[in-house]
Amino acid sequence: QSVLTQPPSVSGAPGQRVTISCGGSSSNIGADYDVHWYQHLPPKAPKLLIYANTNRPPGVPDRFSGSKSGTSASLIITGLQAEDEADYYCQSYDKSISGSVFGSGTEVTVL
Amino acid sequence: QVQLQESGPGLVKPSETLSLICSVSGGSIRTLGYYWSWIRQRPGKGLEWIGYIYHRGTTYYNPSLMSRIRMSVDTSRNQFSLNLTSVTAADTAVYYCAKRREGDDAFDVWGQGTKVTVSS
Repeated sequence: QSVLTQPPSVSGAPGQRVTISCGGSSSNIGADYDVHWYQHLPPKAPKLLIYANTNRPPGVPDRFSGSKSGTSASLIITGLQAEDEADYYCQSYDKSISGSVFGSGTEVTVL
Repeated sequence: QVQLQESGPGLVKPSETLSLICSVSGGSIRTLGYYWSWIRQRPGKGLEWIGYIYHRGTTYYNPSLMSRIRMSVDTSRNQFSLNLTSVTAADTAVYYCAKRREGDDAFDVWGQGTKVTVSS
């Protein structure tokens, strides 16, 4: 069972905006640890999409953005494209285990 | 640019030890610093952090696996490794090695992953 909670799936039509939530607790997101987001399309390796809550690595389209508030965070995809169909995971640090924790993952479907 | 590549057996028998190596290219583990990590994805499940190792050997393990894990670094070969003892079918997964970013906990470089099946 994952420490961070995500909806199992979200969907949207091309061009729409979708939001993926990531719920944590006072030992991870709520303890002011950063949240990171990954895009995973098996069998490829996960790809870092957003780091430190809001930052995009070079090469990541600006239609991907992140936010964080309290014990939760969100990944927002604006202008959804067919190529965005993938699994998305949030990740943070958890002081109770002195290590990383991942969300349960959200499958994005483009209708 | 740092690149990672996992290697190891694709099939391990129950109760035996799973041993994987991650080879680092594009820089020296010794001079790069960083925390190096193992992460797995079991069939139908999400990503699971296994542990980190610093280039000087300091380790942090997932408490759920701590009693069965050992990670090590071989700076002479520019590799780090994972040993997971007493495996069961529940350890069947794709295992990834990854590099943790400096300054935060994000994993910015990943290996392609290696599939390990535990079966007799």
